[in-house]
Amino acid sequence: DTAVSQTPKYLVTQMGNDKSIKCEQNLGHDTMYWYKQDSKKFLKIMFSYNNKELIINETVPNRFSPKSPDKAHLNLHINSLELGDSAVYFCASSNRGNEKLFFGSGTQLSVL
Amino acid sequence: AQSVTQPDIHITVSEGASLELRCNYSYGATPYLFWYVQSPGQGLQLLLKYFSGDTLVQGIKGFEAEFKRSQSSFNLRKPSVHWSDAAEYFCAVGQRGTDKLIFGTGTRLQVFP
Repeated sequence: DTAVSQTPKYLVTQMGNDKSIKCEQNLGHDTMYWYKQDSKKFLKIMFSYNNKELIINETVPNRFSPKSPDKAHLNLHINSLELGDSAVYFCASSNRGNEKLFFGSGTQLSVL
Repeated sequence: AQSVTQPDIHITVSEGASLELRCNYSYGATPYLFWYVQSPGQGLQLLLKYFSGDTLVQGIKGFEAEFKRSQSSFNLRKPSVHWSDAAEYFCAVGQRGTDKLIFGTGTRLQVFP
């Protein structure tokens, strides 16, 4: 059973398109995250949600809009994709308080 | 501002050799400290963490790390490396009272037979 699953695993698209990445966790965690890993492997938090409430919103362009329909799901919608959005996006979950993060296997986004 | 530095971008060791990966952090108070490992094409997996108490922490896969407050360091060690340990290793610092983890830039470990 996959604890944190995200789809799709690969996403190739043209500049200007809108795309979504979905994430689901079956661990019963109350906090979910989106992280971005660039080509140099630098990993940076983008958003965190706790029980569907936005907690962390790091200086991310408003083209990125997370949506959490329930505490087990956190989707990421990206409008007007740009070349610089190419990266690997990781979903993660945990219980509140900086406990162990469980990561999904990542979505490799390539913007052409 | 909080930050994490991993001075070694790439380390190569022979199988069976000992390993130490360096991590230095900048944080105003006692931090939460973590080591994660990322295998190719995979997400990150927690190896170990330090919150408080004993400064030498044991993790999975035979790894350990030692928190040294005086040196602002949290180096990862393993006495004998296996070929399957080849991966990218990330040190991270957590801010108490928040959900935010700040990651270092990673150290890529290669293991030769």
